[in-house]
Amino acid sequence: DGGITQSPKYLFRKEGQNVTLSCEQNLNHDAMYWYRQDPGQGLRLIYYSQIVNDFQKGDIAEGYSVSREKKESFPLTVTSAQKNPTAFYLCASSIGLLRTSGNNEQFFGPGTRLTVL
Amino acid sequence: KNEVEQSPQNLTAQEGEFITINCSYSVGISALHWLQQHPGGGIVSLFMLSSGKKKHGRLIATINIQEKHSSLHITASHPRDSAVYICAVRGNAGGTSYGKLTFGQGTILTVHP
Repeated sequence: DGGITQSPKYLFRKEGQNVTLSCEQNLNHDAMYWYRQDPGQGLRLIYYSQIVNDFQKGDIAEGYSVSREKKESFPLTVTSAQKNPTAFYLCASSIGLLRTSGNNEQFFGPGTRLTVL
Repeated sequence: KNEVEQSPQNLTAQEGEFITINCSYSVGISALHWLQQHPGGGIVSLFMLSSGKKKHGRLIATINIQEKHSSLHITASHPRDSAVYICAVRGNAGGTSYGKLTFGQGTILTVHP
């Protein structure tokens, strides 16, 4: 079945450690996105990638890094510079980058809940 | 003030009730999305609309572009409808063709049997 997988579902790390969250899709989508979700707040865009070997900062990129070496994979690294890393992280993808015109939609992964102790 | 505001933040209903969730936005948009987030965290898309009304099963979504307001209705609600419902708008800001999504904070719906 086609879809987006994120692993692990729950992740615990000690403060000061970098941690990498996995996101894989087999939908043959060009565009991929990382969002952060905090209680009582809307999803916020961390990074997005329109195509392989290209990515752009979103609204809250500080303390995060990404890579896009393969079409299927868009891993997110939460670095020790991120002041409040505990959150729910969602990966998404779309056939092409969402445009102001157009009808394509985003598909979301199941999410990874990161807790920094 | 957030660009996308949902109301109510929490909603409790009895099975069978008609439910309305509201979304107001303050920016120009090219489309509005309604999403459902299950208790486990996964998100699925319910509707994408830019005008008028769409219906799928017991779900109805409407949008009024002039008033910058959208509503999601659930008829004959059921406990399995319990979830977080999220409104997101696709921007149409000039200078870029990227339609970034801006999300509301979500409405937590609980339907009791």
